[in-house]
Amino acid sequence: NAGVTQTPKFQVLKTGQSMTLQCAQDMNHNSMYWYRQDPGMGLRLIYYSASEGTTDKGEVPNGYNVSRLNKREFSLRLESAAPSQTSVYFCASTTGGETQYFGPGTRLLVL
Amino acid sequence: GENVEQHPSTLSVQEGDSAVIKCTYSDSASNYFPWYKQELGKRPQLIIDIRSNVGEKKDQRIAVTLNKTAKHFSLHITETQPEDSAVYFCAASKGSGGYQKVTFGTGTKLQVIP
Repeated sequence: NAGVTQTPKFQVLKTGQSMTLQCAQDMNHNSMYWYRQDPGMGLRLIYYSASEGTTDKGEVPNGYNVSRLNKREFSLRLESAAPSQTSVYFCASTTGGETQYFGPGTRLLVL
Repeated sequence: GENVEQHPSTLSVQEGDSAVIKCTYSDSASNYFPWYKQELGKRPQLIIDIRSNVGEKKDQRIAVTLNKTAKHFSLHITETQPEDSAVYFCAASKGSGGYQKVTFGTGTKLQVIP
């Protein structure tokens, strides 16, 4: 039981490049989330998926898109990366209850 | 929407002393208040939580209190140890159609000095 996994662990992009962050969970959770973490700003919700087949915007969705591929997988795409998207990205999942289980994070640097 | 304020942003205590972190929230519909601990370079992990129908909860050296009327809740760590050094996040959460909307505080960096 791996819990929540994320790939890649670290990525460097040039401004304007695109990439997809992958997240998968093996806990049969219904809800999945993408957060970004910046110094002094805590965890801010980018997008979430309450259940398979649904996605909704969170607090800071601009510049991102998501896909809930199936119950296990929830990906985050940056179409045209900007330096302001330099951050640590965390995926999380819950069973529709309250406790959020986080992945190990992806550190993204946009030059 | 919900707004969660967390204080202090940094806290240094001597080993063995107590540490208190305070949070306030704005949405009276919030009914679940978890606390997460994040060690350097690691993922946030739940350490304790409290629901709105409970005023206090304790788990060994950590405790959380909730004042619904004043809309604030606090984390108390007693007999602090160096391994308690980390960033702590509070959060306020409410359910909506099977989905839990969570808003996090900005975090408190706790340093326990041996």
